[in-house]
Amino acid sequence: DFVMTQSPDSLAVTLGERATINCKSSQSVSSSNKNYLAWYQQKPGQPPSLLIYWASTRESGVPDRFSGSGSGTEFTLTISSLQAEDVAVYFCQQYYTTPHTFGQGTKVEIK
Amino acid sequence: QVQLQESGPGLVKPSGTLSLTCAVSGGSISSNNWWSWVRQPPGEGLEWIGEIYDSGSTNYNPSLKSRVTISMDKSKNQFSLNLSSVTAADTAVYFCARDVLSGWFDSWGQGTLVTVSS
Repeated sequence: DFVMTQSPDSLAVTLGERATINCKSSQSVSSSNKNYLAWYQQKPGQPPSLLIYWASTRESGVPDRFSGSGSGTEFTLTISSLQAEDVAVYFCQQYYTTPHTFGQGTKVEIK
Repeated sequence: QVQLQESGPGLVKPSGTLSLTCAVSGGSISSNNWWSWVRQPPGEGLEWIGEIYDSGSTNYNPSLKSRVTISMDKSKNQFSLNLSSVTAADTAVYFCARDVLSGWFDSWGQGTLVTVSS
C-alpha cells in the first residue's frame, strides 16, 4: 500500500496568517504530468469535504485561500489567510492506485 | 447535487455481519461513476473499504477483502456494504461516497456509527 504521512499532526495559527500542511507519499503518485492527490477538510461530526484534486485543482465553491501544490511524493496544502471557519482536520488522499489511502490527518486550530 | 444517505443497524454482535445501504438521490447510480465505502474509527483517520462501478466491477482494500462484499441495486438507486466476521476493531463511522474516476470523493453521506458489541 502507498503510505501517506502528513506533517505536522497539529498546528495553531493566528487568524489571517498562513497555514501550511505537508503530505508525503511512500511512493510517487505522479505520472504523465498528473498528480493523483486530493485534499479534504473535516469538521467535527461531519463527513470529509473535498477541497482539492489533481493536487492543485480546487473543487467548485472552495475559497481561493485554499491552494495545493507538489508532485511526486511531496505535496502541500496552504491556507493563505486562516479564517475561524477553517478550524478542522485536513486529510490528503492518493488515488494513484488502489487501495486508496489517506494521511493520518492534521488538526488546524486558532492560536 | 447528488446526495447520499447511509442506513443500517447501529449495533452488531461480534462475529456477525455488518450490513449497510447507501441511498443515492439527485442523480443516477448508473452514471459512469464509482461508489465507495470509507470508514473512520472514533477519533481516528479514514480507511477506504472498497468501491463498485456502474458495471458491477469492484475493488476492495486487501486488508478487508476476505470479509467485504459491495453490491449495487440499480432499480433502487442504492449500493450496499456487507462486512462479515466483525470484531470490536470494526467499530467506526461508515461513510458512503461518490468516487470520481476511481479517484477523489466529491460527495459523501453524513455517516453512520456502527458499534460492534455483545
